[in-house]
Amino acid sequence: GNSVTQMEGPVTLSEEAFLTINCTYTATGYPSLFWYVQYPGEGLQLLLKATKADDKGSNKGFEATYRKETTSFHLEKGSVQVSDSAVYFCALSKGANTGFQKLVFGTGTRLLVSP
Amino acid sequence: NAGVTQTPKFQVLKTGQSMTLQCAQDMNHNSMYWYRQDPGMGLRLIYYSASEGTTDKGEVPNGYNVSRLNKREFSLRLESAAPSQTSVYFCASTQTRSGEQFFGPGTRLTVL
Repeated sequence: GNSVTQMEGPVTLSEEAFLTINCTYTATGYPSLFWYVQYPGEGLQLLLKATKADDKGSNKGFEATYRKETTSFHLEKGSVQVSDSAVYFCALSKGANTGFQKLVFGTGTRLLVSP
Repeated sequence: NAGVTQTPKFQVLKTGQSMTLQCAQDMNHNSMYWYRQDPGMGLRLIYYSASEGTTDKGEVPNGYNVSRLNKREFSLRLESAAPSQTSVYFCASTQTRSGEQFFGPGTRLTVL
């Protein structure tokens, strides 16, 4: 079946450090891939997405590239801020053009950024 | 445009009590979902509704029921609450083709 594996957290960084959060997936066919972010006390928000191989999703300084050869979608940011402290979820969705679809989430990675 | 709204935000129940969690969306989305979030386990799908008039079980449906009241509203009912149902519950809706889901703010439920 479809699954998503994320690195264990928490990830603790100082402000302006480089961030990588690893995500790999298992799926048949060609899933769409997503990163969601959850700030304390809130619901999940879409951060970025990619729908086909070699696509790069980007938003708010975050980037992730859909790598089919390594089945990965790692999240990166060149310089993190305290306000980036949150839980980040990698997810996949199967069958982007077939209408209804369900998301499969990873377990989430907590990022803590100190001043 | 409020997006996805959920009520209540917090709830404490005693074992055996029942309650209904309410969810509504104003984005004219066809599909709606209920998830639970537990520490170290990410989000797990409880039930979903692909379109108005249909509902289906997700990964962890036991102990829950749902109603898709109309296109906007999708409720989750706990008939006899158990401590194992202590969790944060999220409702979501989706634009059918993109897969991108929009989440509500969540309901934190504690069952004593």
